[in-house]
This record gives sequence, structure tokens and C-alpha cells, in this order.
Amino acid sequence: DVKVTQSSRYLVKRTGEKVFLECVQDMDHENMFWYRQDPGLGLRLIYFSYDVKMKEKGDIPEGYSVSREKKERFSLILESASTNQTSMYLCASSFQGTGQETQYFGPGTRLLVL
Amino acid sequence: EDQVTQSPEALRLQEGESSSLNCSYTVSGLRGLFWYRQDPGKGPEFLFTLYSAGEEKEKERLKATLTKKESFLHITAPKPEDSATYLCAVPHYNTDKLIFGTGTRLQVFP
Repeated sequence: DVKVTQSSRYLVKRTGEKVFLECVQDMDHENMFWYRQDPGLGLRLIYFSYDVKMKEKGDIPEGYSVSREKKERFSLILESASTNQTSMYLCASSFQGTGQETQYFGPGTRLLVL
Repeated sequence: EDQVTQSPEALRLQEGESSSLNCSYTVSGLRGLFWYRQDPGKGPEFLFTLYSAGEEKEKERLKATLTKKESFLHITAPKPEDSATYLCAVPHYNTDKLIFGTGTRLQVFP
């Protein structure tokens, strides 16, 4: 059974704090993705990783960084959290292919920055 | 520019009242179209992939169809448990990244 897990369902942080969100998949997928989801804006890609230690910026990378040291694990880092980073964060993974590979999502982390 | 547009934004149905959700797209060289269901506060759950115009896929009360410019998600005799946001997505040209629509929020009342 497909499984993507995220380290926290809910997080409350203060402005300026460093925040780590972790995602783990057990499907041996090459690709991993971080999105944020906001009402009216849909899912927006923050970063994408296609291999260990490899990353590619998505549509909204500003204020975020990522780390992928192991194939199954992809971390999203907010270096200095700001209130406009309050959002739902979703991790996904997929096999590499021709764009026809299904992305499977984790349960999401709802982050509130005060 | 690659783009995905879903309509309507919101749809309220009576239980048993069939309807359709629309996903229109502009993308260079369509390689697939994905439908997801998302319940409030949860991650999207994969429903279907359609690969070519004319293809149809079914799952319980849901049927997805694909033409060269749009996809429809038909809901037959919906039940309250079908209430959710339905998302569609297509791959960017020559990458594994997906472009998502903003979704249709479906509410089915008993």
C-alpha cells in the first residue's frame, strides 16, 4: 500500500523561528515534491527533488529551502518563518517517468506562524 | 503557458442529483490528466489517470472522460460521502511536475 507520511499534522511557530517539515515515503520513489495549498490559490509547487541531493525550484521557492540526504526522506526548511507562510503544506512522491507517473500525497501539515 | 482551469468553483447537489465537473487545460503535448479527491484538512487522494482523448475510467459513482481540450468528472446519483474538493492536474511539458487546477468543492445534501 502506498504510504507518504509527514512529521506533524499541526504546527504553531513564532515569527523568525526556523521550521523543519519532514516527509517520508516507503515506495522507493525517485521524485519528491513540496507544495503549499492556500484557499483560492490551489496547490503551488515549492521545491522538487528527482534524486538524492538533487533539487529544483518550483513556482514559489522564496523563503524556503530543502534537503534530501536519503531517497525516502525530503525535508522542507523555513529559515525564518513569517506570517505569510501560514498555510497547509503537502508532500508528494512519484516514480520518475514521462510525466505519466502518479503523485501520491501525504496527509499534510497545517502550519500557523504567529 | 500551461494552464488548468476547473469549473464550477463550488457545486451543491441534492443526494441522487447527477452532475459533471469540468477541467479544461492548455498544455504542450498532453501526456496524462490526473483526478484527485481531497477531504477537508487532508492530502489529495488519487482517483484516475487518463492518457488519451476518448479514454474513460470509472470508480463507483464517478466516471472520468477526456477530450483534446478538457476532462469531465461525471458523478451519478451522488451521496453525501461524495462531498469533497475534486482536483485535476496535468504534467508540465517534458517534466514530472504537475500543474493543478484550483478545484471544485462539491457538497451533496441528503
